[in-house]
Amino acid sequence: EVVLTQSPATLSVSPGDRATLSCRASQSVSSNLAWYQQKPGQAPRLLIYGASTRATGIPARFSGSGSGTEFTLTISSLQSEDCAVYYCQQYNNWPPGRAYTFGQGTKLEIK
Amino acid sequence: QVHLEESGGGLVKPGGSLRLSCAASGFTFSDYYMSWIRQAPGKGLEWVSHIGHSGTTIYYADSVKGRFTISRDNAKNSVFLQMNSLRPEDTAVYYCARPYFDTSGYPGYWGQGTLVTVSS
Repeated sequence: EVVLTQSPATLSVSPGDRATLSCRASQSVSSNLAWYQQKPGQAPRLLIYGASTRATGIPARFSGSGSGTEFTLTISSLQSEDCAVYYCQQYNNWPPGRAYTFGQGTKLEIK
Repeated sequence: QVHLEESGGGLVKPGGSLRLSCAASGFTFSDYYMSWIRQAPGKGLEWVSHIGHSGTTIYYADSVKGRFTISRDNAKNSVFLQMNSLRPEDTAVYYCARPYFDTSGYPGYWGQGTLVTVSS
């Protein structure tokens, strides 16, 4: 099973600053990685798939990069509504095979 | 637009059973595999199970294999999760999810979730 490790666990960033979140895979997942945003009391929302493609309606300040085992989600100019927990997810065994797995999450706080 | 609505959660004693339902609308249900994903209180996301378009392709996480059964009714646009031999560690919000594209391995649409609490 592919294990995803996200860092840091908590990130505190000032409004307007850049936020950089990391996700490391225990083995290569190629570009088969997605990012989600989850606000309190809400279901997760898909932000990025294919490591770098924004889902429909996602603001351009969100960008993803990386391949293989190292991935990054960048929020270029943090806004207050970006306060949330962010999860990465790998789907390298797709079409349906074994499980897809999630990272443990990074909590993004507004400083 | 795509809408997923879970129901059936509640409080159950250890060893008990519960059946979750997810009603789907806004898309051709039979074109998509469907998944259940759970989240324990204050914890991260854990994939539980998914079922293929016709219901013949099914996978489970090791943590629920032999205890949970996923099924679907394409005529009723619904997917189900029968949960037996429940344990306290099964306590979680259970989300029903649909892939973003019909062949994609990442859930793009989620329901609001239903809370399952396993406690004596």
